[in-house]
Amino acid sequence: AQKVTQAQTEISVVEKEDVTLDCVYETRDTTYYLFWYKQPPSGELVFLIRRNSFDEQNEISGRYSWNFQKSTSSFNFTITASQVVDSAVYFCALSEYSSYGKLTFGQGTILTVHP
Amino acid sequence: EAQVTQNPRYLITVTGKKLTVTCSQNMNHEYMSWYRQDPGLGLRQIYYSMNVEVTDKGDVPEGYKVSRKEKRNFPLILESPSPNQTSLYFCASSSRGGFTDTQYFGPGTRLTVL
Repeated sequence: AQKVTQAQTEISVVEKEDVTLDCVYETRDTTYYLFWYKQPPSGELVFLIRRNSFDEQNEISGRYSWNFQKSTSSFNFTITASQVVDSAVYFCALSEYSSYGKLTFGQGTILTVHP
Repeated sequence: EAQVTQNPRYLITVTGKKLTVTCSQNMNHEYMSWYRQDPGLGLRQIYYSMNVEVTDKGDVPEGYKVSRKEKRNFPLILESPSPNQTSLYFCASSSRGGFTDTQYFGPGTRLTVL
């Protein structure tokens, strides 16, 4: 069965530090997508990135970067030079070919960036 | 503006009093879904709908009902709420519901059942 694990429940850093949020997934499908969502203190869920299982290229978007490694079933998220506005709960999620659009979420990682 | 809306945003009710949480999207999406968010558990799918009149159970459907009479609306019904349904609820939609589609979420409804 599909599963997503975010082992870091909470992370606390000081502004300008780099921080990596870990995500490990399990799936029997060979075709799947991985996602990251951000939930700021206001509560809404904001889509950050989508990555398919056939594309292992790392992606960078400004201060955000993602490292997808199929060999270790991981899809880690790094924020470079963190800012207070990055404080949020971050969710990793998996969508499988066989799952009719269902997203399987990890438990979430609470990131707090202190000034 | 493309969006998913939910109402109400906050609701406090008592055990057994039927309630409905509405969800509407203006993107002509075929796929809609309900999730609940609980501490330490992330989000879990309750029900989903592939199109009008087509609905199916997700991972935690007990105690909930849904209907999809119009493409844009997907209400979540709790016919006899219990305290264990106290949670943060999210409605989501995507274009066709394929595993490649990005799901867009509503603002959430915080429900407390006393």
